[in-house]
Amino acid sequence: KAGVTQTPRYLIKTRGQQVTLSCSPISGHRSVSWYQQTPGQGLQFLFEYFSETQRNKGNFPGRFSGRQFSNSRSEMNVSTLELGDSALYLCASTFSGGAGETQYFGPGTRLLVL
Amino acid sequence: AQTVTQSQPEMSVQEAETVTLSCTYDTSESNYYLFWYKQPPSRQMILVIRQEAYKQQNATENRFSVNFQKAAKSFSLKISDSQLGDTAMYFCAFISNAGGTSYGKLTFGQGTILTVHP
Repeated sequence: KAGVTQTPRYLIKTRGQQVTLSCSPISGHRSVSWYQQTPGQGLQFLFEYFSETQRNKGNFPGRFSGRQFSNSRSEMNVSTLELGDSALYLCASTFSGGAGETQYFGPGTRLLVL
Repeated sequence: AQTVTQSQPEMSVQEAETVTLSCTYDTSESNYYLFWYKQPPSRQMILVIRQEAYKQQNATENRFSVNFQKAAKSFSLKISDSQLGDTAMYFCAFISNAGGTSYGKLTFGQGTILTVHP
């Protein structure tokens, strides 16, 4: 079974631009969670989607948004990029988002904002 | 809100020796799960071990075992017979089983960089 995939793997943008990151979960998994990883703030939860619905959201500004498609693939979008948005963005999938389920992570998208 | 604290920013160990990484957490929940993940230089986050809070028995997974002290809210990871491939950043993580604002939300500690020396 293929693992979680994320595209693109690397991205360079300039301040003010917007960016869209994609995450394809493990086949059969319907829950996708997104995380931002930075040296200063560590790993922080962005949001979780299940069956095309956002069920949970972390403490990030409205510039960060996401969606999930009927095939469970998920995208996150960051508008009006700031230098502080430079980070590794990780997504993880589980079957249903249950607390006891292991979250399987993708390799991440490394975003650099200049 | 839940918090997870890893008090050891860096640790080192000789190959074949044993090392213990510390983790404490704070929560008012009674039903939750705890995890240790490793992140090698490739940045791929990999599950090492998980523990259900309702189970008193400590989880083990080959060379990896935990010491789960629920009353003390402590969850340490012991790595036996350390191998060079164990070199990585290790994260302790918590997730509540309360649903709602807990869906899909792992709360991570700041991580411990473990270096295994030959």
